[in-house]
Amino acid sequence: LAKTTQPISMDSYEGQEVNITCSHNNIATNDYITWYQQFPSQGPRFIIQGYKTKVTNEVASLFIPADRKSSTLSLPRVSLSDTAVYYCLVGKLIGGSQGNLIFGKGTKLSVKP
Amino acid sequence: EPEVTQTPSHQVTQMGQEVILRCVPISNHLYFYWYRQILGQKVEFLVSFYNNEISEKSEIFDDQFSVERPDGSNFTLKIRSTKLEDSAMYFCASRLMDTQYFGPGTRLTVL
Repeated sequence: LAKTTQPISMDSYEGQEVNITCSHNNIATNDYITWYQQFPSQGPRFIIQGYKTKVTNEVASLFIPADRKSSTLSLPRVSLSDTAVYYCLVGKLIGGSQGNLIFGKGTKLSVKP
Repeated sequence: EPEVTQTPSHQVTQMGQEVILRCVPISNHLYFYWYRQILGQKVEFLVSFYNNEISEKSEIFDDQFSVERPDGSNFTLKIRSTKLEDSAMYFCASRLMDTQYFGPGTRLTVL
């Protein structure tokens, strides 16, 4: 499984755009990139997933450069309720392993008023 | 929107007792997982389950742990003889295609 590296913490203010970058230099051809959000004492919540280029949903955007060795989660106009830990994970596409996820320490995002 | 549900939300038990944590995965999902998170630490994989059998398990998932899908909807994690170090949040997850969806967790406190 590809190892991921992301900042331990980030601070932001309400209304700002937040970009969290994750490095995954050893990503394999059939790996996809998934981001989860976790609030204290709650289960990880799926945010977004992608394989290459750009993916956007109602919550966030995910930018993946051509070499796929990094990815950036972009949260537009954060609010106080976006304060959470954000995890970047890399895993096999369906048809590969059974897909157990390996979590790192994540990035603790603190949004201030 | 379909969700993974878990019961109970909090379980307190005495050391050495057996506990069963229950999960109802999303109904058309095929792959099921248990993870745990000790307070302040990372989320750790315990076991994956597919086609009514364990497909992968971690070193944490020793003989004290077992999983079962007793009917078409429930997925359970049993800890036979709890230890103090089993105190953690336990998360169930399920997957159909490429994305795992997690439940809200059960907080297990072993006294």
